[in-house]
Amino acid sequence: RKEVEQDPGPFNVPEGATVAFNCTYSNSASQSFFWYRQDCRKEPKLLMSVYSSGNEDGRFTAQLNRASQYISLLIRDSKLSDSATYLCVVNRDKLVFGAGTILRVKS
Amino acid sequence: DAGVIQSPRHEVTEMGQEVTLRCKPISGHNSLFWYRQTMMRGLELLIYFNNNVPIDDSGMPEDRFSAKMPNASFSTLKIQPSEPRDSAVYFCASSSRTDTDTQYFGPGTRLTVL
Repeated sequence: RKEVEQDPGPFNVPEGATVAFNCTYSNSASQSFFWYRQDCRKEPKLLMSVYSSGNEDGRFTAQLNRASQYISLLIRDSKLSDSATYLCVVNRDKLVFGAGTILRVKS
Repeated sequence: DAGVIQSPRHEVTEMGQEVTLRCKPISGHNSLFWYRQTMMRGLELLIYFNNNVPIDDSGMPEDRFSAKMPNASFSTLKIQPSEPRDSAVYFCASSSRTDTDTQYFGPGTRLTVL
């Protein structure tokens, strides 16, 4: 079983839709949590950190449930430019990346 | 500010040849990471350095792989001899001591071993 599990997708959604990604992690010692975004043939870039209290950055909302070892990312009002692979990442003295969820936003 | 710089961006070589990948971290960052990304295995940490010292090389696949960081502004990842299964994108990333959670990735080196 992988330490960080994500649905690979692809999620195909129309512009303006709301889409949610989920991720589970197996190591309860994980200390901090993130979503990274990776565009096709580019490097991963930090999208946002994830806190138990939930955090929002514009159209993006991330949530952490430590008890269930579950992380989520919600994207509202999807834009074409949101098309990318979203990587769920946990930090337990080093970053461990999920395989990513592919999002395709269509006009 | 310059980001993480990697060279070469693309490398095509034949099986058995030596390959050297290079990385220059962001100035002032004290941690450097080498990752490998493939479709099958995703993004895997190979090795990381803190203050030029290798801390965790448990992700290095085998003895054919070696990494060095002779100073704070330069690191190499060497594969000798290379094999077709080493074909992947190799990323270097760096982070600062004031924000250890955020890693900044270079553009990657796309390696093809024929």
